[in-house]
Amino acid sequence: NAGVTQTPKFQVLKTGQSMTLQCAQDMNHNSMYWYRQDPGMGLRLIYYSASEGTTDKGEVPNGYNVSRLNKREFSLRLESAAPSQTSVYFCASTTGQGNNEQFFGPGTRLTVL
Amino acid sequence: AQSVTQLDSHVSVSEGTPVLLRCNYSSSYSPSLFWYVQHPNKGLQLLLKYTSAATLVKGINGFEAEFKKSETSFHLTKPSAHMSDAAEYFCVVSAMNRDDKIIFGKGTRLHILP
Repeated sequence: NAGVTQTPKFQVLKTGQSMTLQCAQDMNHNSMYWYRQDPGMGLRLIYYSASEGTTDKGEVPNGYNVSRLNKREFSLRLESAAPSQTSVYFCASTTGQGNNEQFFGPGTRLTVL
Repeated sequence: AQSVTQLDSHVSVSEGTPVLLRCNYSSSYSPSLFWYVQHPNKGLQLLLKYTSAATLVKGINGFEAEFKKSETSFHLTKPSAHMSDAAEYFCVVSAMNRDDKIIFGKGTRLHILP
C-alpha cells in the first residue's frame, strides 16, 4: 500500500496563476482532508470530504476549491494564487465511521511569488 | 466547541533526560485525543491515541500520554530523550464519531541538547 500520495511535491507559482494539488489514498478510507501548515499556526483545515460526493468547508476555505472525484481522490484547486497561499499543504484520510486517526501524505510545498 | 492548547511552543531537553510536552483541551463531546510527530520536511505520523479505553496510553518510540479528565489534559512524556526525538509534536482533539471535528494544536518543537 502506498498510503496517501500527493503531487506535486514542490511548486512555484506567480500571483494569479491557477493550479490543482492532487491527493489519492489506497486504504479505502471514507473521509479525506486538506490542511495548510504555516509556521507557528499548526495545521488548519481548508476543506474536508466525509464521503464520496460530499465536501465541506473547514477553517480557512477562502481562495480554494475542492473536488472529491471518487473514493480514492480528493483534489485542491487554487483558481488565482496569492502570496498569502504560500504554505505547505497536507492531505489526510481516515476510515470515517468514528475512527479519527488520520493518515497523512508527504505534503506539497507551494510558493506564490 | 472544541479547542486544544499546547502550552509550550519550544521545549529543550538534554539527551537522556525526561521529556514532557503539555497539552490541554476542551470538548463538548466525548473526546478522542492524539499526538502526532513531524520530523523536518516530513509528513505527520501518529505517535499514540486515546479513545476512551485505558487512560494511560503507550505509543511508539517509548512515548506515552495520560488522559486526565479532571484536568482536561493529555500530556506527552518519555523517560529518556534521544537525539532522534528532535521534531515537532502536535496534540489533536476530535469528537468521537464526528469526523468533521478534528482540531490541531499549534505544535511544540522539541530540541534535544547533546
